[in-house]
Amino acid sequence: DTGVSQDPRHKITKRGQNVTFRCDPISEHNRLYWYRQTLGQGPEFLTYFQNEAQLEKSRLLSDRFSAERPKGSFSTLEIQRTEQGDSAMYLCASSLRRLNTGELFFGEGSRLTVL
Amino acid sequence: TQLLEQSPQFLSIQEGENLTVYCNSSSVFSSLQWYRQEPGEGPVLLVTVVTGGEVKKLKRLTFQFGDARKDSSLHITAAQPGDTGLYLCAGAPGPGKLTFGTGTRLQVTL
Repeated sequence: DTGVSQDPRHKITKRGQNVTFRCDPISEHNRLYWYRQTLGQGPEFLTYFQNEAQLEKSRLLSDRFSAERPKGSFSTLEIQRTEQGDSAMYLCASSLRRLNTGELFFGEGSRLTVL
Repeated sequence: TQLLEQSPQFLSIQEGENLTVYCNSSSVFSSLQWYRQEPGEGPVLLVTVVTGGEVKKLKRLTFQFGDARKDSSLHITAAQPGDTGLYLCAGAPGPGKLTFGTGTRLQVTL
């Protein structure tokens, strides 16, 4: 499988717990993006990496959110002290830097439910 | 912040009908993409338009980029139930992040 993979696909947690999502991009892609999507809405940008460098973070990304891409390959998105408002689909996407048209290839997402 | 507004938000039509979805912004984009997303899945790229006034066709789907590169439209001819999904436009002001529109949910019934 050469697509973007995300794990877990579904996560149910209690308010206040920490959760971590993992994303494995397409192997030759050097850019990796995290988006958040609520039901029926378009994805909202959270952050993106070029190789291991985090180049941009949205104001949506509060202090409870942290993303890493330590070796420029897979990435993790951690949410600390989860709140019910964090319930959403978290989407990861990857792209090639040299393609400046911004085409993204998405994973199937990790759905978070905070009780 | 570049805001992409899509209209309509919801569209329920019968098989065989034609429809048009619009994507509008006050900002200029270097390129614009259209994606389709099915429930429980990530968005899948349909097309990228780059040049103002550009028209691209993908079978029964016709995409147009506005002359000023601020808006786009998606026209579907003779819609089929398999066209059902969430249609998203997304703009890139330059290299870097992609900003998504508000989405249009299409349902095509027999």
